Amino acid sequence: AQSVTQLDSHVSVSEGTPVLLRCNYSSSYSPSLFWYVQHPNKGLQLLLKYTSAATLVKGINGFEAEFKKSETSFHLTKPSAHMSDAAEYFCVVTRNTGGFKTIFGAGTRLFVKA
Amino acid sequence: EAGVAQSPRYKIIEKRQSVAFWCNPISGHATLYWYQQILGQGPKLLIQFQNNGVVDDSQLPKDRFSAERLKGVDSTLKIQPAKLEDSAVYLCASSTTVGGVSTDTQYFGPGTRLTVL
Repeated sequence: AQSVTQLDSHVSVSEGTPVLLRCNYSSSYSPSLFWYVQHPNKGLQLLLKYTSAATLVKGINGFEAEFKKSETSFHLTKPSAHMSDAAEYFCVVTRNTGGFKTIFGAGTRLFVKA
Repeated sequence: EAGVAQSPRYKIIEKRQSVAFWCNPISGHATLYWYQQILGQGPKLLIQFQNNGVVDDSQLPKDRFSAERLKGVDSTLKIQPAKLEDSAVYLCASSTTVGGVSTDTQYFGPGTRLTVL
């Protein structure tokens, strides 16, 4: 069985400060892990993905995530928040079972204060 | 490259009515997904197609929901009859295949927001 837990439902940061959005997963198989962002009234956009190559994954808009197998974590970070980063972020786990099984986390709402 | 197209963007119906949503995936993408996203929750996979065959519909409420992808391109998701708890955003996504195997990067459409009164 596989699951994904986003540890914070809301995160609030000031503009220019670091962002940390936490995600833990469980999977019986080697998973692929993703972070997607959803701006209000917009579709989901892929930020980055991990597929067992480098453990530190760089994505768009300055975001990156580190896969830590020992901690079963895939936390999303950004050194300096921008107002445009305010959105909902989803951690996603998939595995290929002859068709991908995709599970989304519940989401973390990021607020960025001026 | 055109993205995933969905229509309508918004729909308001009364309970017990029927409704249908349409999705056109990115050209050449063999795999198509329908998700339900209830307010405040992450998307939940309803059904996954590869070409015109169903790969996974384990979370589709088959007593009222149906979906088809007859020609392996665009797809329709139907709810009949709708219930209040079906109010949600319905997202369509697609992904390509390599060597006949779905790749795992999904591209999402803007969604259809359904309100059931």
